[in-house]
Amino acid sequence: KNQVEQSPQSLIILEGKNCTLQCNYTVSPFSNLRWYKQDTGRGPVSLTIMTFSENTKSNGRYTATLDADTKQSSLHITASQLSDSASYICVVSEASSSASKIIFGSGTRLSIRP
Amino acid sequence: NAGVTQTPKFRVLKTGQSMTLLCAQDMNHEYMYWYRQDPGMGLRLIHYSVGEGTTAKGEVPDGYNVSRLKKQNFLLGLESAAPSQTSVYFCASSYRQGNTGELFFGEGSRLTVL
Repeated sequence: KNQVEQSPQSLIILEGKNCTLQCNYTVSPFSNLRWYKQDTGRGPVSLTIMTFSENTKSNGRYTATLDADTKQSSLHITASQLSDSASYICVVSEASSSASKIIFGSGTRLSIRP
Repeated sequence: NAGVTQTPKFRVLKTGQSMTLLCAQDMNHEYMYWYRQDPGMGLRLIHYSVGEGTTAKGEVPDGYNVSRLKKQNFLLGLESAAPSQTSVYFCASSYRQGNTGELFFGEGSRLTVL
């Protein structure tokens, strides 16, 4: 069964510190992996997309990595800000003609403390 | 830009009552989706649509019906609400097929069934 596992479930860090969130998946065949940010009470918003051939992609202070061989991805946040407090969801898509082959992780809830 | 708009944002129902959630998007997207989000779980696909007049079942379709009479609108109906349907519901749309295109989410509709 295709699965997406995220760790840790929750994380608290001080403002200005860095952190790394992990995502392991068993989805096959693989199409792409996205990281979404979900603020409390809002819908998820896409941060990055990684395809099979990409190892690293940055979006401001967010850097995503992908190791397609080990089926692992990470999201690194540099110099955290209070506005980074949110849930971060790893989403892996299966290569398929079906629009439904998208598997969501349960997310990592990140809290930034001043 | 309004993007994806969901109404209502909050609703409380009694067991057995019916209701309809409305999703509207102004991005001319072909694909639309309804997800539910429960604590500790990833978003799960209820139903989706690949174009006006089409609908298809997702991972957890039981107890729900949908309609896509107009390209910009996707309705989710509960004919006889049950406490197990207490959840936060998200509508999403995408320009391309969901497993290749970015999903744009609404703000969510929180439903409580007593």
